[in-house]
Amino acid sequence: EIVLTQSPGTLSLSPGERATLSCRASQSVSSRYLAWYQQKPGQAPRLLIHGASSRATGIPDRFSGSGSGTDFTLTISRLEPEDFGVYYCHQYGSLPPWTFGQGTKVEIK
Amino acid sequence: QVQLVESGGGLVKPGGSLRLSCAASGFTFSDNYMNWIRQAPGKGLEWVSYISSGGHNIYYADSVKGRFTISRDNAKNSLYLQMNSLRAEDTAVYYCARDSTVYYGMDVWGQGTTVTVSS
Repeated sequence: EIVLTQSPGTLSLSPGERATLSCRASQSVSSRYLAWYQQKPGQAPRLLIHGASSRATGIPDRFSGSGSGTDFTLTISRLEPEDFGVYYCHQYGSLPPWTFGQGTKVEIK
Repeated sequence: QVQLVESGGGLVKPGGSLRLSCAASGFTFSDNYMNWIRQAPGKGLEWVSYISSGGHNIYYADSVKGRFTISRDNAKNSLYLQMNSLRAEDTAVYYCARDSTVYYGMDVWGQGTTVTVSS
C-alpha cells in the first residue's frame, strides 16, 4: 500500500498570502495518478488537480500542482477567503488500494 | 445537471446490515467507473470500493473486504453498497464518487449519507 504523508498538518495564513502544501509518497507514484481535493466543513470533497498539475474544470488559476516521483506540491498563489478548508492528496495507481493523505487544514490566521 | 445522490444511511447495531444507494443523473452512468469513499467523524478520507463501468472489475479496501459488496445497475443509473457485519469503526459519512472518463480523478461526488454503528 502506498502511504501519502501530507505536511504541514495545519497552515495558518491570511487572505492574500501564498500557501504551499506538501504530499510525500512512500513509493514512487506516476504523476498521472496524483490528484488533489479540497473539502470544506459539511461538504463533499471537490477535485482541484489531476495528473499532479492539471486543474480540474472551473478551478481558478491561483491553484497549481507540481511534483513527481514521491514529492508533490499544491500551491495556492494568493489565498481567497473561500480557499480555507482541508486539502487532500490522493494516489490512484494501477492497483488498489487507492489512498489519500491525512489532509492539510488551511485556516485563517 | 450532473448529480449523485446517496441514500440508505442510518443507525444500525454492531453486526447488522445496511444497503446504501447512489442515484446518478445528468450523465451517461454506464460510461463511468464508480467508487465509495468514507469519512469517519473528524477524520480523513478513506477509499472503500471501486467498480468498473460494466461491473466486471471490483476492488475493496482490506478493512471492508468480505463484509461489503459493491454493485451497480446501469439500467437504473444506480450504484449500491451492501454492508454486512457492521462494526463501530464503519461509522462514517459514505460518499459515492464518479471517476472521470478522461483522466485519473474523482470529478463528481455525492453529498454523502451517514452510517452510525452503535448499540
